[in-house]
Amino acid sequence: AQTVTQSQPEMSVQEAETVTLSCTYDTSESDYYLFWYKQPPSRQMILVIRQEAYKQQNATENRFSVNFQKAAKSFSLKISDSQLGDAAMYFCAYRSHNSGNTPLVFGKGTRLSVIA
Amino acid sequence: KAGVTQTPRYLIKTRGQQVTLSCSPISGHRSVSWYQQTPGQGLQFLFEYFSETQRNKGNFPGRFSGRQFSNSRSEMNVSTLELGDSALYLCASSGGQGANIQYFGAGTRLSVL
Repeated sequence: AQTVTQSQPEMSVQEAETVTLSCTYDTSESDYYLFWYKQPPSRQMILVIRQEAYKQQNATENRFSVNFQKAAKSFSLKISDSQLGDAAMYFCAYRSHNSGNTPLVFGKGTRLSVIA
Repeated sequence: KAGVTQTPRYLIKTRGQQVTLSCSPISGHRSVSWYQQTPGQGLQFLFEYFSETQRNKGNFPGRFSGRQFSNSRSEMNVSTLELGDSALYLCASSGGQGANIQYFGAGTRLSVL
């Protein structure tokens, strides 16, 4: 079974600075998806960024980018120019790319605080 | 396009009762998945429905059940509630070209007293 580990329960960053959230995963599969979701106090899980394992190029979405190291099974999220609205729980998630619909496997999350 | 809608937002029940939660997916999405979120266990997969059929199931007791209707709306039911069932229940839908992405609702917060 796949597992996802987020080793930083809490992180903080100054407004306008850069922060990196860590995520490692364990799988024997070669084809899969990786995601970062953000959950603000409103509770709605919002997709931040996704990465397809067969793509070597790291995904970017505006201020959000990932460092995907397939051999090391590492998938970190970098947030640049942090804003107060970035404060939330961040979850790293894994999904197999098998036929049919497979569930997301989540890490325990990292709570990010943004200091004004 | 409307997002995933979950009702109700909050529920308070007592032990032994049963509860039904509802989820309306994004229009055109045929897959609906349910997750339980607790501080101790984190996010755990309950089950997934596609075209009215349960396609995948997590490791939860039979007290947890679900169904999906022809319009893709889904309900989950928990019978004989226990204190440990207190959690945030999240529904996610996926479909179309972005079928590998799950879009979540705001959840239903269930408190069992």
